[in-house]
Amino acid sequence: AAGVIQSPRHLIKEKRETATLKCYPISRHDTVYWYQQGPGQDPQFLISFYEKMQSDKGSIPDRFSAQQFSDYHSELNMSSLELGDSALYFCASSIKPGGWTEAFFGQGTRLTVV
Amino acid sequence: AQSVAQPEDQVNVAEGNPLTVKCTYSVSGNPYLFWYVQYPNRGLQFLLKYITGDNLVKGSYGFEAEFNKSQTSFHLKKPSALVSDSALYFCAVRDTIYAGNMLTFGGGTRLMVKP
Repeated sequence: AAGVIQSPRHLIKEKRETATLKCYPISRHDTVYWYQQGPGQDPQFLISFYEKMQSDKGSIPDRFSAQQFSDYHSELNMSSLELGDSALYFCASSIKPGGWTEAFFGQGTRLTVV
Repeated sequence: AQSVAQPEDQVNVAEGNPLTVKCTYSVSGNPYLFWYVQYPNRGLQFLLKYITGDNLVKGSYGFEAEFNKSQTSFHLKKPSALVSDSALYFCAVRDTIYAGNMLTFGGGTRLMVKP
């Protein structure tokens, strides 16, 4: 079965540019999570969606926004990019937001801001 | 608030020897606990979870973890390490009291298995 698909895999942007990261969850998964992993850091939760509604919000900057669409895919929009936004961005999906279900992660999008 | 601590940045073990990667947690209610493994330039792969029931949980690739409520620990173990087990391991927790869905990760432990 296909896993969580993220695109693009790599992205290079200049400061102050915008970027859009896409996430396609596993089939029948209705919950999507976004995490940011800086170099040598543990993944930090940004935001999650359940049934197209935001369900939790973590340390997501105001310059970032995200949404989940009717087909359950999600997009993370990042504006006014800063050097510190360079990181690996993971999307994960699960069936329902119940705490007992494990989240399956995509391979990540490596964003480099220059 | 929920938090996870992985006290060791790196664990070195010889191939064929048992391995332990430590994890302790802090939650308000009862924990849901997870272990993930990350290979270079790859996403996080789910290994195993503890929700309820038997304190010894068995997962993928021969890994297991033991939930110890009194010590608030969830150490990852494997009886015989393989060189291919070398990777970055993350412990994660969700709090059953907290209604949210976010996983809180520990800082990660790099496992190095030498031939």
